[in-house]
Amino acid sequence: AQSVTQLGSHVSVSEGALVLLRCNYSSSVPPYLFWYVQYPNQGLQLLLKYTSAATLVKGINGFEAEFKKSETSFHLTKPSAHMSDAAEYFCAVSESGQNFVFGPGTRLSVLP
Amino acid sequence: DAGVTQSPTHLIKTRGQQVTLRCSPKSGHDTVSWYQQALGQGPQFIFQYYEEEERQRGNFPDRFSGHQFPNYSSELNVNALLLGDSALYLCASSHGGAVQETQYFGPGTRLLVL
Repeated sequence: AQSVTQLGSHVSVSEGALVLLRCNYSSSVPPYLFWYVQYPNQGLQLLLKYTSAATLVKGINGFEAEFKKSETSFHLTKPSAHMSDAAEYFCAVSESGQNFVFGPGTRLSVLP
Repeated sequence: DAGVTQSPTHLIKTRGQQVTLRCSPKSGHDTVSWYQQALGQGPQFIFQYYEEEERQRGNFPDRFSGHQFPNYSSELNVNALLLGDSALYLCASSHGGAVQETQYFGPGTRLLVL
């Protein structure tokens, strides 16, 4: 069965610092992997997705993630945090093509 | 171009009642998925509708049912509400249902069961 873990329910960084949000997955087949962002009182917005093409995936708002099969990881990074990046971030995995499994989320705070 | 819309935005019900939530997909999309997001947790997949049929279902009881109309809009029905059904219910639409296709999420319906 597929599953997702996100290490750190809350991450705080200073404005301009590196953002690193961790995601590890388990899957019995090559997975599709996603990062979504959720701002308060809003739905989810896709940041980026891995669909078995390039292992380094670039997304919107300067975010990127690297698929590492050997580590079963798909960590999200951004070189320089901005105040507007403060939100909840969810990693998700899909094997079947329809059923998405989301992680519990990581809340990112950006300190001035 | 309107995105995914959901109604109502908020809803309060009491235990045992029934509720219907509605979703209109993004223009050009034919697939609708429903998710339940409890407070402080990630969304959990309820089911997906494509061509008016339930194509896949998550681990939710039969109290949760749905429907997709010819115009691709969808309803989520929950019968015999429990306190634990209190959550944000998210609808997502996509084209064709393949995972490579981006799902676009609506703002959600927040359900409170008292």
